[in-house]
Amino acid sequence: DTEVTQTPKHLVMGMTNKKSLKCEQHMGHRAMYWYKQKAKKPPELMFVYSYEKLSINESVPSRFSPECPNSSLLNLHLHALQPEDSALYLCASSQPHWDSGNTIYFGEGSWLTVV
Amino acid sequence: AQKITQTQPGMFVQEKEAVTLDCTYDTSDQSYGLFWYKQPSSGEMIFLIYQGSYDEQNATEGRYSLNFQKARKSANLVISASQLGDSAMYFCAMRPNTGNQFYFGTGTSLTVIP
Repeated sequence: DTEVTQTPKHLVMGMTNKKSLKCEQHMGHRAMYWYKQKAKKPPELMFVYSYEKLSINESVPSRFSPECPNSSLLNLHLHALQPEDSALYLCASSQPHWDSGNTIYFGEGSWLTVV
Repeated sequence: AQKITQTQPGMFVQEKEAVTLDCTYDTSDQSYGLFWYKQPSSGEMIFLIYQGSYDEQNATEGRYSLNFQKARKSANLVISASQLGDSAMYFCAMRPNTGNQFYFGTGTSLTVIP
């Protein structure tokens, strides 16, 4: 079983809704990530938090708002999304500094549909 | 700039046969890690195997082995004795020793035929 837990597994929201995706990891990692993935494509990096601070924002539209309340939790707040934002959203965690074996571990993903 | 190339968009293999999924990479970093992930249709990205750039031996994990050729900058995944449950997307990824970015290839869709 994965030690990175994402909720909800599936989410359908209207374009005027506000919703949040949640992620929790129990691996003691200090870097957490949000990726967006379309069908048959590789994951696209959205945000990286390192030691609870936002370290990378890949020019993501402001309708996506990340939050890292503590070292174990990562949220993605969604507001005024577009249908093209429908995708699989993957949360992941790793150690922030590279050394041998610093793998990134993923959650099961949240399938988002914007109607 | 870092770049990962997977040239096989789709592959088929007979059950119980071995299959090799190709991955080449381009980096100017001296130290880096190479990873393979499996993604079934359920969506979860499952870590399979890791190879460090300074590891002299090829990594193995059960039926998975990584054929690492540093001079050619290739890190091919070999799956032995394929099973129906191996049908999935497979992504090669690299993490350089600077920063915490992971770079993914475009993926290979593997179908195991009974």
